[in-house]
Amino acid sequence: SAVISQKPSRDICQRGTSLTIQCQVDSQVTMMFWYRQQPGQSLTLIATANQGSEATYESGFVIDKFPISRPNLTFSTLTVSNMSPEDSSIYLCSVGTSAYEQYFGPGTRLTVT
Amino acid sequence: AQSVAQPEDQVNVAEGNPLTVKCTYSVSGNPYLFWYVQYPNRGLQFLLKYITGDNLVKGSYGFEAEFNKSQTSFHLKKPSALVSDSALYFCAVRDIKSGGANNLFFGTGTRLTVIP
Repeated sequence: SAVISQKPSRDICQRGTSLTIQCQVDSQVTMMFWYRQQPGQSLTLIATANQGSEATYESGFVIDKFPISRPNLTFSTLTVSNMSPEDSSIYLCSVGTSAYEQYFGPGTRLTVT
Repeated sequence: AQSVAQPEDQVNVAEGNPLTVKCTYSVSGNPYLFWYVQYPNRGLQFLLKYITGDNLVKGSYGFEAEFNKSQTSFHLKKPSALVSDSALYFCAVRDIKSGGANNLFFGTGTRLTVIP
């Protein structure tokens, strides 16, 4: 299984600011995903990060709010823009394997005040 | 559209007793089903999956799950619970989309508490 790291592990931000979360994988992977886990809730897919092309966003998520970069096969970033308290969540990146499994990073716990 | 239901928000079991965490699913085609566990302040860990083949699949930490097509269920089981099994468990189904991306649709989670 891939080893996935995320930075930062947690942050407290003021409303109206932006935060960029980094996801680093120890091997090249084709499929990378970004999820949000709001307090006490399940995971919701934000987008699929595509290498060399624009990310594919799920319903309810837009590029202006959650811009994603995927410059190579081991790295991706998710930016949470113009934050509000409703953006307080855990943000997780994951990678998909050819065996249909997904492995998750440790998550970034974001609190917006 | 795919969906997953975990009917129990909370399951309590005594240490040493068998445990079951329930999951039912709805998919249009053949289901790809998964169980993940989330320990406090940690990311999700993959436990096991069902893609095809034997209905009883074995996974990490002594867990197993039984795929039942007629009941559209994929319940997670363990013969003897440990206090260290206390965590949040998520059932997930593969969302089939064009292009073959295997993004997952998650259930709402079941919090398992094993009582010493």
